Amino acid sequence: NAGVTQTPKFQVLKTGQSMTLQCAQDMNHNSMYWYRQDPGMGLRLIYYSASEGTTDKGEVPNGYNVSRLNKREFSLRLESAAPSQTSVYFCASTGAGGSPLHFGNGTRLTVT
Amino acid sequence: QKEVEQNSGPLSVPEGAIASLNCTYSDRGSQSFFWYRQYSGKSPELIMFIYSNGDKEDGRFTAQLNKASQYVSLLIRDSQPSDSATYLCAVYSGGSNYKLTFGKGTLLTVNP
Repeated sequence: NAGVTQTPKFQVLKTGQSMTLQCAQDMNHNSMYWYRQDPGMGLRLIYYSASEGTTDKGEVPNGYNVSRLNKREFSLRLESAAPSQTSVYFCASTGAGGSPLHFGNGTRLTVT
Repeated sequence: QKEVEQNSGPLSVPEGAIASLNCTYSDRGSQSFFWYRQYSGKSPELIMFIYSNGDKEDGRFTAQLNKASQYVSLLIRDSQPSDSATYLCAVYSGGSNYKLTFGKGTLLTVNP
C-alpha cells in the first residue's frame, strides 16, 4: 500500500526555470493538499483540493499553480522559480474534513 | 486568521520522564485536533487525534483537550531517546474547506 507518493524527491532549479511536482494517492481520498515547510515557519498551506474538480488557495499561493488531474493526482507547478521557493514540499490527502492527513515523503527543492 | 500556537522549544527531558507538549488555538469552533511527530528530514506522521473534551490514551501517549480554554496537550510517558523529534499540533476548524492549520512545532529532545 503506497499511500501518498511524491515525485521527485530532490530537485535543483535555476531562477526562472519551471517544474511540476507530482503527487498521487491510492487511498481513494477526496481531499488533497500541498504544503511547504521552511525552518521556523512550520507547515504552510499552498493550495488544496477539497474534492475532484475543485481547487482553492491556501495561505501562501503566490508563484504556484495546481491541477487536480483526477481523484488520485494533484500536481503543483512553479512557472518561474525564485530563490524564495526553496523549501520542502509535502503533499497530503484525507478522506473527509476533520479526518487526519496522510503525508507523502516530501520534495526538497532548491532554487539557485 | 486562525492561529495555532506552540512553544518552539527545544524541550529537553531525561529518559523515562514525562514530556508535556502544549498547543493553543484561536478558533473557538475548532472540531478536530491532531498531533504529528516529525523526525528530521522526514514527513509528519500522525500519532494522536482527539475530538472531544477530556483525555485520550494510546500506549505511552495521552492527548488532552480543553475546548473551553482552547488548549490541547500531548503527554509522553516513559520518554525514550527515539521520541526525540518535532511535534506538530494541527487543528481542523470545520466547514467545507477541509483545511488543517498547523502550529510551528515543538522540538523535543530526550536525553539518555
